[in-house]
Amino acid sequence: KQEVTQIPAALSVPEGENLVLNCSFTDSAIYNLQWFRQDPGKGLTSLLLIQSSQREQTSGRLNASLDKSSGRSTLYIAASQPGDSATYLCAVRYNFNKFYFGSGTKLNVKP
Amino acid sequence: EAQVTQNPRYLITVTGKKLTVTCSQNMNHEYMSWYRQDPGLGLRQIYYSMNVEVTDKGDVPEGYKVSRKEKRNFPLILESPSPNQTSLYFCASSLPSGRGTYNEQFFGPGTRLTVL
Repeated sequence: KQEVTQIPAALSVPEGENLVLNCSFTDSAIYNLQWFRQDPGKGLTSLLLIQSSQREQTSGRLNASLDKSSGRSTLYIAASQPGDSATYLCAVRYNFNKFYFGSGTKLNVKP
Repeated sequence: EAQVTQNPRYLITVTGKKLTVTCSQNMNHEYMSWYRQDPGLGLRQIYYSMNVEVTDKGDVPEGYKVSRKEKRNFPLILESPSPNQTSLYFCASSLPSGRGTYNEQFFGPGTRLTVL
């Protein structure tokens, strides 16, 4: 059974710090991996999508990496801001079109 | 504007009263999916559809039905809701695996359902 795990479950950092969120998956035969942001009571906003053939993707202060062989992805956030406070979710897509989500990392960036 | 819409956004109902949550997308996506989100359990896939008249079970399909009569719509049906179906529901759409190089999932705003 495919499982996706995100560590840590919660993280609190002062403004300006660089930070790394982790996502691990048990089955490495993925099609792609997508990182989302979710604000309280809201929907999911797509941040970055990494195809299985890619190693990383960048968007502004965000950088996501993928290591299929070790079953891991990381989301790097540079120079964190209070507006980055949210829950970050990773979702793994397999070739058979099923998706598996991690439980998320709740990030709090303190001013 | 490319989007996935869901209705209603909030619903309080009673056990056993049939309900339907609608989902519509305007991106001509073949693939659509329903998820439920519960504290500590993350998002879990209920049903998905590869195209019109093609649906399949996700990980938690019990107590739910879906239909895909049109490409843009993918309603979620609860024939006899129970309290354990109280949850936050999301609809999503994308291109299917193997089509395109950037087939990200787009999510609707969510439907918060309470079953008393």
